[in-house]
Amino acid sequence: GDSVTQMEGPVTLSEEAFLTINCTYTATGYPSLFWYVQYPGEGLQLLLKATKADDKGSNKGFEATYRKETTSFHLEKGSVQVSDSAVYFCALGYSGNTGKLIFGQGTTLQVKP
Amino acid sequence: GAVVSQHPSRVICKSGTSVKIECRSLDFQATTMFWYRQFPKQSLMLMATSNEGSKATYEQGVEKDKFLINHASLTLSTLTVTSAHPEDSSFYICSAPQGGYGYTFGSGTRLTVV
Repeated sequence: GDSVTQMEGPVTLSEEAFLTINCTYTATGYPSLFWYVQYPGEGLQLLLKATKADDKGSNKGFEATYRKETTSFHLEKGSVQVSDSAVYFCALGYSGNTGKLIFGQGTTLQVKP
Repeated sequence: GAVVSQHPSRVICKSGTSVKIECRSLDFQATTMFWYRQFPKQSLMLMATSNEGSKATYEQGVEKDKFLINHASLTLSTLTVTSAHPEDSSFYICSAPQGGYGYTFGSGTRLTVV
């Protein structure tokens, strides 16, 4: 079946450091891929998405490229801020589905001043 | 934007008791609500899908008699964990679709059964 695997956290960085959070997937079809972010005490929010191979999703300085050849969707940001501290979830889903998303286990990011 | 309010955020209960978790859509009507569960260091797993006015659909392996879902109105869906045991301790989160791939998530409930 389909699955999503993320790197284990927590990831601790200093402000302005470069961020990479790895995400790989296995899929039986051609899913769309997503990154969600959960700030402390809040619900999950969509950060970015990509609907087909080679698409790049970007938002708030974060970006991720849908790599079919490596089945990956790594999240990157060139310069993190303290306010980026949150839990990040990688997920996949299919168009026309009932809306079911398959999530990775989440990666906690801690950014220190 | 659309908001789903989930309560309680944390609950500790004794083994054998029941716990109700509520998700309310505050400024939109949610005809569908997804309920997820996350064990420590594991993925969010879909437990069930509730639809207003009809029976919920449960994922394989989820006990429908243990996890009672009610979606009696367009703004309220509830999950009741009946006769809770320590192995039910988990993070529960609800999500309402907004069309396409837009979803609004609640803030989650941390359940601890002692």
